Amino acid sequence: DTGVTQSPTHLIKTRGQQVTLRCSPISGHKSVSWYQQVLGQGPQFIFQYYEKEERGRGNFPDRFSARQFPNYSSELNVNALLLGDSALYLCASSQGQHTGELFFGEGSRLTVL
Amino acid sequence: GIQVEQSPPDLILQEGANSTLRCNFSDSVNNLQWFHQNPWGQLINLFYIPSGTKQNGRLSATTVATERYSLLYISSSQTTDSGVYFCAVDPPDDKIIFGKGTRLHILP
Repeated sequence: DTGVTQSPTHLIKTRGQQVTLRCSPISGHKSVSWYQQVLGQGPQFIFQYYEKEERGRGNFPDRFSARQFPNYSSELNVNALLLGDSALYLCASSQGQHTGELFFGEGSRLTVL
Repeated sequence: GIQVEQSPPDLILQEGANSTLRCNFSDSVNNLQWFHQNPWGQLINLFYIPSGTKQNGRLSATTVATERYSLLYISSSQTTDSGVYFCAVDPPDDKIIFGKGTRLHILP
């Protein structure tokens, strides 16, 4: 049984560029959520999607956007990258509309120079 | 919003020792989970425990929802237990909140 998969695992961008991160949930899971984890801190909630609709958004600027596809995979986009966007971006999947038990991927580590 | 506090922030133990990690939260939550973050950054599920007690091998967890805390017990620690332990709560708005974690070092 395949777990949550994320790509790319590592990437380096420069300030002002745009980045797209991808996530495939566990088969049968319809909800995907995204988190940002900066060094030394706990993950912070960015978005939750269920059945292709945004169900929740954390305290992040409009430069952050996401979407969920009919196969329940998801993309997180960040525009106009800042140095402070350097972080580990984690995706989690869960079964139902309300969060429930979360299962995380290995994350995408973004470095902004 | 809900505050989640974990204690202690750091813990250093000899292999074989037991430990108790605590997670306090400031308001009612729907669910609570404990995770272990491995050196590569992946969050590994330990327990999904909105209330009551669960055990899995050397690990067990207890959540007392009415008193707004959860405890994670690790017995007979091994070096592979080292890492950061997070609790995460699911408030009524479903915007998951993580604590800052407890960094555990198990010395051989």
